[in-house]
Amino acid sequence: GQQLNQSPQSMFIQEGEDVSMNCTSSSIFNTWLWYKQDPGEGPVLLIALYKAGELTSNGRLTAQFGITRKDSFLNISASIPSDVGIYFCAGLKETSGSRLTFGEGTQLTVNP
Amino acid sequence: KAGVTQTPRYLIKTRGQQVTLSCSPISGHRSVSWYQQTPGQGLQFLFEYFSETQRNKGNFPGRFSGRQFSNSRSEMNVSTLELGDSALYLCASSLKRTSGVKQFFGPGTRLTVL
Repeated sequence: GQQLNQSPQSMFIQEGEDVSMNCTSSSIFNTWLWYKQDPGEGPVLLIALYKAGELTSNGRLTAQFGITRKDSFLNISASIPSDVGIYFCAGLKETSGSRLTFGEGTQLTVNP
Repeated sequence: KAGVTQTPRYLIKTRGQQVTLSCSPISGHRSVSWYQQTPGQGLQFLFEYFSETQRNKGNFPGRFSGRQFSNSRSEMNVSTLELGDSALYLCASSLKRTSGVKQFFGPGTRLTVL
């Protein structure tokens, strides 16, 4: 089963607000990936993180690889209606090839 | 570059039947992974193929199988379908660079078992 705890499960925010979500694990990962999934589609890769402490941005999105290597955070600034969707974190272990472990997802709703 | 493609996008089958899903990875990607996504269990890893060899396998029954061809295209097969096999089946292709791995998903195949 899944090993990543992602929170919050859902968020309802106003357009223009900032959003934060995080993922924690009981084990160490050497890669963290953040995805966004729209209904009926596959997850789209947003940000990839490879080093503990790394902070990476992609437009209004910023993600961080936790120092302990057991957690990661995603922030969205100045949210807009098209940010609506489900955000997933995924971790990859060094010995797991390309086997990703996923969080449960954060459902984001943005009210215009 | 074209993204990961999956066919068919939608499939309806009845219990006991079998089904084959197809995935074409991004050109140059040699690793293909399959995931099952359901509302109750989320995204669960099925298996990974690299250079036509299964490199990793998730905790699914033997009814779920896969293979990869020399052109990196992959298929997964589910035999003796059960109602619980209804799910979105996602294929992902991976590229490992010096910086690290990135995994890209296709649009998925929505399988409904009646």
